[in-house]
Amino acid sequence: EIVLTQSPGTLSLSPGERATLSCRASQSVNSMYLVWYQQKPGQAPRLLISGASTRATGIPDRFSGSGSGTDFTLTISRLEPEDFAVYYCQQYSDLYSFGQGTKLEIK
Amino acid sequence: EVQLVESGGGLVKPGGSLRLSCAVSGFSFSSYSMNWVRQAPGKGLEWVSSISKRSSYIYYEDSVEGRFIISRDDARNSVYLQMNSLRAEDTAVYYCARVSRGYDRGEFDYWGQGTLVIVSS
Repeated sequence: EIVLTQSPGTLSLSPGERATLSCRASQSVNSMYLVWYQQKPGQAPRLLISGASTRATGIPDRFSGSGSGTDFTLTISRLEPEDFAVYYCQQYSDLYSFGQGTKLEIK
Repeated sequence: EVQLVESGGGLVKPGGSLRLSCAVSGFSFSSYSMNWVRQAPGKGLEWVSSISKRSSYIYYEDSVEGRFIISRDDARNSVYLQMNSLRAEDTAVYYCARVSRGYDRGEFDYWGQGTLVIVSS
């Protein structure tokens, strides 16, 4: 079982700032199988990035993903008010698993 | 427009059973693998089960293996989750989600709105 650990648990930033979210895997994950989702309160998750770095349809280019092996990063270059949400990484290299989430809150 | 609509949630006693349904529209259901993902109140996402096209591959998360059964009916454009021997820790919103691009495994590109299951006496 691949365990994904996200950090920080909560990130407090202001609109316009840069956000860097981390996802670390307990064993190597093929970057093609690393995914990021965004979830807002009361809503289903939304696909942001697949293959570690490929934005899903309609996702603004301020969102970017990177990484390989066991360390992956989601970066939001300039935070907009609508970006404050919870972010999850997911792997499907070995079945499926999600990280515990990073809550991005307004400072 | 792609739509996934879950139903069947509710309040059930520990040890009881419940059957969730997810009716889809807007795409060729038989060409896609489907999944169930749950989220306990105030907690993160947890993958529960997966079923591939033609039900060729079925997988379960360890804690539900032997208690839950995933199935699909391509004629009805629906995927189901039969949940037996329910426990308090199964309390969650249950989402169905589609695997993108018709792959057996992959990212989940469309999600339903979820259905709430509460296991309590």
